[in-house]
Amino acid sequence: DTEVTQTPKHLVMGMTNKKSLKCEQHMGHRAMYWYKQKAKKPPELMFVYSYEKLSINESVPSRFSPECPNSSLLNLHLHALQPEDSALYLCASSQVGGVRAGELFFGEGSRLTVL
Amino acid sequence: AQTVTQSQPEMSVQEAETVTLSCTYDTSESDYYLFWYKQPPSRQMILVIRQEAYKQQNATENRFSVNFQKAAKSFSLKISDSQLGDAAMYFCAYKGSSNTGKLIFGQGTTLQVKP
Repeated sequence: DTEVTQTPKHLVMGMTNKKSLKCEQHMGHRAMYWYKQKAKKPPELMFVYSYEKLSINESVPSRFSPECPNSSLLNLHLHALQPEDSALYLCASSQVGGVRAGELFFGEGSRLTVL
Repeated sequence: AQTVTQSQPEMSVQEAETVTLSCTYDTSESDYYLFWYKQPPSRQMILVIRQEAYKQQNATENRFSVNFQKAAKSFSLKISDSQLGDAAMYFCAYKGSSNTGKLIFGQGTTLQVKP
């Protein structure tokens, strides 16, 4: 069983839609991440939250808006996306500091298709 | 800037045999960590093994072991007694000294296990 839960598993949206991806973890981790992954490619880091504060934004377009309501939840709000934004969006969590910070626990991902 | 290179896009191994996946990296940092992640088809990515750069001893986790050559900046993964469930994409990843898990991934190696 995955300890990082992502919903929805699949999402199809038009370029004018507004939707959100949700992620939840109950491992007590204080760092949470959004990654974007294209087929047969490595994950690309988008955002990092540390202690519920945005600590890294990898120059992601503003049509992606992250939110961390509390230490267990992470959202990714989507608006006016482009077809090239179609990808698998992965949420992950980890402890903060030292080697444990690199031990990411990933969710199964949300597969997004933008029409 | 740090980089991670996996030079083998695809590998195959016979069930019960041993296979080695290669990874090299480049960094000017002295304190860092290295990881191997496994992503089975349509399943979540999981951590296979980790190595702290300050440790000379190679990490081992059951059938998985690494050959860490710090001077050569090489970090290969050896899978012994390969099983069908080992078929996946394997990513080598580097983490520097930051407190959060900002990982730099290699391009990945797809491992096929033949029965």
